[in-house]
Amino acid sequence: EPEVTQTPSHQVTQMGQEVILRCVPISNHLYFYWYRQILGQKVEFLVSFYNNEISEKSEIFDDQFSVERPDGSNFTLKIRSTKLEDSAMYFCASSERHSLYNEQFFGPGTRLTVL
Amino acid sequence: KNEVEQSPQNLTAQEGEFITINCSYSVGISALHWLQQHPGGGIVSLFMLSSGKKKHGRLIATINIQEKHSSLHITASHPRDSAVYICAVSNTGNQFYFGTGTSLTVIP
Repeated sequence: EPEVTQTPSHQVTQMGQEVILRCVPISNHLYFYWYRQILGQKVEFLVSFYNNEISEKSEIFDDQFSVERPDGSNFTLKIRSTKLEDSAMYFCASSERHSLYNEQFFGPGTRLTVL
Repeated sequence: KNEVEQSPQNLTAQEGEFITINCSYSVGISALHWLQQHPGGGIVSLFMLSSGKKKHGRLIATINIQEKHSSLHITASHPRDSAVYICAVSNTGNQFYFGTGTSLTVIP
């Protein structure tokens, strides 16, 4: 069964460093998403992406964040200069069609720890 | 402010019990999603619905658009149903709002 994969499973970085979290969505899916979940808190939407551009982003997704689909298979989330408060689990998801019509498939998450 | 409210926050049930988890939302939505988050953190989509009712096995989800309310029901609950159940709503722009989740524990 096709699945969304994410790498790495755990990333430890120093404050101020750049990190890139990688996701491989399901191959025929067209909509891509990033979410984060700070430990003990609710899941928060970061960004949705379709047709090689951002379709929607939350207030959390400021200039420190960027997303890219560099090669038609990977979908990446970059944090330019990490802060302590960026420590969280980051989930990638994909769907075949818009969320109005289709469920999303989630990756296993990347745990980011900023020291 | 919470655009999506879930109740109860925590729920303990005996195996076999019928379980209901409620979700109310304040934003205009296009679709509502019920998700299950396992103790290890993984998230699985259970339902996506914009009207009426859907059923998968022992799970039933309903939505009342006028009342801005949805319920997730689990019939004949089992310990393997123990997880956090999350309600999320999306709009036409594909922006998502999540509830804080309901932690369910089913005791054998």
